[in-house]
Amino acid sequence: LAKTTQPISMDSYEGQEVNITCSHNNIATNDYITWYQQFPSQGPRFIIQGYKTKVTNEVASLFIPADRKSSTLSLPRVSLSDTAVYYCLVGDNFNKFYFGSGTKLNVKP
Amino acid sequence: NAGVTQTPKFRVLKTGQSMTLLCAQDMNHEYMYWYRQDPGMGLRLIHYSVGEGTTAKGEVPDGYNVSRLKKQNFLLGLESAAPSQTSVYFCASSDRTGVEQYFGPGTRLTVT
Repeated sequence: LAKTTQPISMDSYEGQEVNITCSHNNIATNDYITWYQQFPSQGPRFIIQGYKTKVTNEVASLFIPADRKSSTLSLPRVSLSDTAVYYCLVGDNFNKFYFGSGTKLNVKP
Repeated sequence: NAGVTQTPKFRVLKTGQSMTLLCAQDMNHEYMYWYRQDPGMGLRLIHYSVGEGTTAKGEVPDGYNVSRLKKQNFLLGLESAAPSQTSVYFCASSDRTGVEQYFGPGTRLTVT
């Protein structure tokens, strides 16, 4: 399983932009980078996926440098409802996904 | 559209008892998965299925069995529950890419 390294926790305030970085030094050529969000007592929810450069959807942006050994999930103008655990996954197939412990984001008023 | 549903939501078992967790999805997805999540940890894949009648082992399959007799249902069985199986169990489904998985609400299982 492709391992990833993320900060254990992060604090932010409402209205700020939050960037969560994930390290994946051993990413393989065919691997994609996928991010999930999990609220307490709920199952994870897919946020975004990318292979290289930048991907943006209505929820977040994903920045991936040329060497692909890291990636950054960017959440614009967070609100209290964005308080959750965020997981970075690397792989080209679901049975290679490693959820890890994720990053616990705490958004304060 | 209910998405992915799980039954039951909570269960307490005694060591050695058996039980079956039911997962149902109404999105016509080919792939289905069972994960467990221990406190403060990420999810670990127990078993998965890539189609009706097929199952395969994931990262932590020991002590569990699964069946997928119908495309929309995926059952997880514990034949002889152990305290180490105390966890929250999540079912998920996806299309054949396996990337965007849709998760159920989870089943909180306690084994005493």
